[in-house]
Amino acid sequence: DAKTTQPTSMDCAEGRAANLPCNHSTISGNEYVYWYRQIHSQGPQYIIHGLKNNETNEMASLIITEDRKSSTLILPHATLRDTAVYYCIVRVFSGYSTLTFGKGTMLLVSP
Amino acid sequence: DAGVTQSPTHLIKTRGQQVTLRCSPKSGHDTVSWYQQALGQGPQFIFQYYEEEERQRGNFPDRFSGHQFPNYSSELNVNALLLGDSALYLCASSREISGPQHFGDGTRLSIL
Repeated sequence: DAKTTQPTSMDCAEGRAANLPCNHSTISGNEYVYWYRQIHSQGPQYIIHGLKNNETNEMASLIITEDRKSSTLILPHATLRDTAVYYCIVRVFSGYSTLTFGKGTMLLVSP
Repeated sequence: DAGVTQSPTHLIKTRGQQVTLRCSPKSGHDTVSWYQQALGQGPQFIFQYYEEEERQRGNFPDRFSGHQFPNYSSELNVNALLLGDSALYLCASSREISGPQHFGDGTRLSIL
């Protein structure tokens, strides 16, 4: 699976949009971009995934660049409960494939 | 709809002992994966079970073994425990091998 690069930490004010970047310049054509987050003392929580089109669900939006070398996870109105480590992972969608976690981005949402 | 459940939540063992951790997947899921998360690190893949067989394995010694039952639940066994095995052990389930994985809250294993 391709390697990803994320900032170590980011800050966001409560109520504002949080935009978390991820670089995956070596992504292959059959690899999807997945986002998970891990709140302290809990297991990772699946957020969203996509191949090349932008995706949106009740939690977040995923914007993938046209060349697929980078993506941005957007939390439209961050709350204090969104404080967590966010992991960007690329993974082959089919066949035997697992999740390879990096160090992720620690997002701190402040009042 | 119950999510992934793991038991026990915490466990303390001594070096050399053996431990068994248990996982019940989310309803409708048939694939179970296990991960080890050391303090301050991201989770590391141990192995994955589908149709009661180990399908993939990460870079872990054979002291780590597992099992999947017909009801899709799973166990992780670790023999000859070392101090370095102290970690949070996470179970994740998915609908088929390629589906998004959903995690439980883990078992915190401490080795004395």
